[in-house]
Amino acid sequence: DQQVKQNSPSLSVQEGRISILNCDYTNSMFDYFLWYKKYPAEGPTFLISISSIKDKNEDGRFTVFLNKSAKHLSLHIVPSQPGDSAVYFCAASGYYGGSQGNLIFGKGTKLSVKP
Amino acid sequence: KAGVTQTPRYLIKTRGQQVTLSCSPISGHRSVSWYQQTPGQGLQFLFEYFSETQRNKGNFPGRFSGRQFSNSRSEMNVSTLELGDSALYLCASSSQLAGGGNQETQYFGPGTRLLVL
Repeated sequence: DQQVKQNSPSLSVQEGRISILNCDYTNSMFDYFLWYKKYPAEGPTFLISISSIKDKNEDGRFTVFLNKSAKHLSLHIVPSQPGDSAVYFCAASGYYGGSQGNLIFGKGTKLSVKP
Repeated sequence: KAGVTQTPRYLIKTRGQQVTLSCSPISGHRSVSWYQQTPGQGLQFLFEYFSETQRNKGNFPGRFSGRQFSNSRSEMNVSTLELGDSALYLCASSSQLAGGGNQETQYFGPGTRLLVL
C-alpha cells in the first residue's frame, strides 16, 4: 500500500505561470516532508522541506504547504521556468520504530514548463 | 563541500554474479542510506547505516547487504544477481548530528546504473 501518493503523473505549465504539484500521505506518523527534483540518470536534488509543526515554508520561487488534517502537501513554483522541467518527488519520514534514514517516496510528477 | 559521490557510475553484470557499489558521503555526514529506483517500483529504501551500524532495513531479500566504514564511506553488495536487480542505485547522506531523529535532509549522489544481462 502506497503511503505517499502523487496522483498526477504529469503536469504541463506555461513559462511564467504557477506550477502546483500535489502529494497525499496516509501515515499519521510522518512528521517531515521533502520535495526533490530529478533529471534522468541523475540523483534527486533536494529542493525544500517542511516539518509537521509548520504549515508553510518558502525558499525563493518554491513554497511548500502542509495540511496535516487532510494529510496533503503541495509544492508551488512561481514563476515557472523552462529549467524547472523535471520529475518532482515528494518524500516523507517519521521517527517511529527504527525508521531512521528511511524516506518514503511518491512515484513522482513530471513537470514540463513550456516557453 | 563536495557532494555525495558514487562509484562506479555504470555497471553491466550477468545473472548469478555479484556486485559491490561504493558511496562516499558529504564530509561530516555520518548517516548513509541506500535506495533502489526502478520504473515500476519507483524509489525504494534499502538500508541505512550510522556509525558503522545498520539502523534500518527495507523490504529487500538478504542478497542485498551493505556496510559502513569508520570514515562513513559505505558499500552495498548484491549477490547472485537477477535480471530484476537492474536499476539505478542511489546513495544519500545526512548529518544526523544528534544520532537520532529523522528531521534531517538527505542529499543524494548521482547513482550507479546497474544492468543485469
